Amino acid sequence: GAVVSQHPSWVICKSGTSVKIECRSLDFQATTMFWYRQFPKQSLMLMATSNEGSKATYEQGVEKDKFLINHASLTLSTLTVTSAHPEDSSFYICSARGGLAGRINEQFFGPGTRLTVL
Amino acid sequence: KQEVTQIPAALSVPEGENLVLNCSFTDSAIYNLQWFRQDPGKGLTSLLLIQSSQREQTSGRLNASLDKSSGRSTLYIAASQPGDSATYLCAAGANSKLTFGKGITLSVRP
Repeated sequence: GAVVSQHPSWVICKSGTSVKIECRSLDFQATTMFWYRQFPKQSLMLMATSNEGSKATYEQGVEKDKFLINHASLTLSTLTVTSAHPEDSSFYICSARGGLAGRINEQFFGPGTRLTVL
Repeated sequence: KQEVTQIPAALSVPEGENLVLNCSFTDSAIYNLQWFRQDPGKGLTSLLLIQSSQREQTSGRLNASLDKSSGRSTLYIAASQPGDSATYLCAAGANSKLTFGKGITLSVRP
């Protein structure tokens, strides 16, 4: 149980285009989803937290107009990187947290999406 | 602001050795501490999660301990194997967020 998927697993795009990444909780309802970014040889940095049906809360330094987050249902959140540039190339990982018995504060992680902007 | 530190950044050991990976955090008001494994280019695999009310958790050859008062956690790996080679990340949960350390890259030599 508690499986989280991401799609696509990797994407290459041209500079200036927008890219959408999906994060799905497959067997539980995720009241909260998180988006992280990981640069090579660095740790995961939280970008934003989203609760179903409400606006995402962005961490300091993360541009909300560039990284659009939608959490329209209890099983799906999307991250759209708008007008992507080479410096946005990174590994994007989502996680989901739900009302699983005995695992209230536990986050379950997706496999990540590798974004390369040319 | 929570800060999580993992030292050293890299570790190389011969196969069969028992080893300890350290993790320290600055804010002891955590609700859990989690250890993950990450293989190159891959996502995270959760290894062990310790709730703030617990002292340790065990899974197979892995044992994680938590000392909230001193802001420290350790991951003990018994009888290391080449397949254990990976980056090990710890993350402290507080204020509805997880703060990650930079990880320890472990190499187990055959």
